[in-house]
Amino acid sequence: LAKTTQPISMDSYEGQEVNITCSHNNIATNDYITWYQQFPSQGPRFIIQGYKTKVTNEVASLFIPADRKSSTLSLPRVSLSDTAVYYCLVGDVFNRDDKIIFGKGTRLHILP
Amino acid sequence: DTAVSQTPKYLVTQMGNDKSIKCEQNLGHDTMYWYKQDSKKFLKIMFSYNNKELIINETVPNRFSPKSPDKAHLNLHINSLELGDSAVYFCASSQEVPGLASYEQYFGPGTRLTVT
Repeated sequence: LAKTTQPISMDSYEGQEVNITCSHNNIATNDYITWYQQFPSQGPRFIIQGYKTKVTNEVASLFIPADRKSSTLSLPRVSLSDTAVYYCLVGDVFNRDDKIIFGKGTRLHILP
Repeated sequence: DTAVSQTPKYLVTQMGNDKSIKCEQNLGHDTMYWYKQDSKKFLKIMFSYNNKELIINETVPNRFSPKSPDKAHLNLHINSLELGDSAVYFCASSQEVPGLASYEQYFGPGTRLTVT
C-alpha cells in the first residue's frame, strides 16, 4: 500500500476554493489515486479518482503532476455542507498484499 | 434506491452475546467488504469477499465471521462480544475492472455497535 500523507486539518470560508494536497512518494506504476469524503455518522463517499494530469467531475477536480508523487483535490466554491473528513488513497483494492486502511484524512472545516 | 444498505443502524448489547449485522448491495458489484471504524476514527478493513471467496482477511479475532449467501449480501457475525468490539462497522462494495488499480468503493451507512 502506498503510504499517503495529508494535512490533519484545514479551515476555509464559504465561497472559497479549497485545495487539499496528498503526498504519495512510493506510488506504483499501476496505482490510481482515489479521494473520499466522510460526514459524521456516515460511511465514506467516493468523490473522484485519477491516474495522471487532471480529472474533473461535478463535485471536484483532481490534479496530478507528471511524477505522480502527490495529488491535489480541489473543491470549488465550498459551502458549509462541505465540512467533512477527506481521505486520499492510493493503490489497488485487489492487490492481495495490500492492507486497505483509511488514514486520519484531512478534517476540513468551512466557516460562514 | 439505496446502493449499499446495512441493518441494524444501531446495536446495543451485552458482553458475551452473539450478534449479526446484515449488508446488501444492489449495484451488481462482485466484491463486498467489512470495515471497522474505531474511536480514533481509523477505518480498517476486516474482510472482503469476491465471488464468494474470501480474498482479504485481516488479523481480526476469529469471533468475527463473514457470511455471504450470495453476491449481493455479506453479513457479519460476531460471537462472544467484548467491550473492545464497540465501534462503527461499515459495509462496502466494489467492482473489479481489469487493468484498473483503484479503491473505488461504495459504503453503507454504518452500524454503531455498543457493547456494555
